[in-house]
Amino acid sequence: DQQVKQNSPSLSVQEGRISILNCDYTNSMFDYFLWYKKYPAEGPTFLISISSIKDKNEDGRFTVFLNKSAKHLSLHIVPSQPGDSAVYFCAASGHSGGSNYKLTFGKGTLLTVNP
Amino acid sequence: GAGVSQTPSNKVTEKGKYVELRCDPISGHTALYWYRQSLGQGPEFLIYFQGTGAADDSGLPNDRFFAVRPEGSVSTLKIQRTERGDSAVYLCASSLRQYETQYFGPGTRLLVL
Repeated sequence: DQQVKQNSPSLSVQEGRISILNCDYTNSMFDYFLWYKKYPAEGPTFLISISSIKDKNEDGRFTVFLNKSAKHLSLHIVPSQPGDSAVYFCAASGHSGGSNYKLTFGKGTLLTVNP
Repeated sequence: GAGVSQTPSNKVTEKGKYVELRCDPISGHTALYWYRQSLGQGPEFLIYFQGTGAADDSGLPNDRFFAVRPEGSVSTLKIQRTERGDSAVYLCASSLRQYETQYFGPGTRLLVL
């Protein structure tokens, strides 16, 4: 039973356009959400996070939106760059105030940004 | 500064053998975590250390898996009587304290033949 779902295994966008990666969760106890980026043969790299007390968090080209009622979050990358091509994992935890010790991950979405 | 390092980067072993996977966390990080990533899946939590003690080992799949962190820094994940289903990437992460952002190492790719 997947508690964090990324229903799109892959996404392809043109350089300069917006990339939108989606994530749904089922566990209403989750209150902290993170996005990690992973290149081949490397470990996941933290990208951005959001607490359930917010509905938006922005860091440069990356913005995460949280819709608690729909149990849905999305990562927007604007503008997309070829170096953004990677697997993006959505993760969730059940304690506020920071990253809890037990992260639950989705299966990931492979983003390809074409020059 | 140096990130989380893991050795070996790749490990091939035969069914039934014993393996040890090592993790060196970021210096000063008190919290350490092990995850396992199977093909086509996201990382799955195995165990969490706060200092030297395993605060939560609920993710370990069975008693063939064991992990230690004797001095509160380096950790070793030990797998006895390996099975083909243990083949996966084993990821280690550390954070400054509990509830802080987790930083991952590159992983150890374990293949059990």
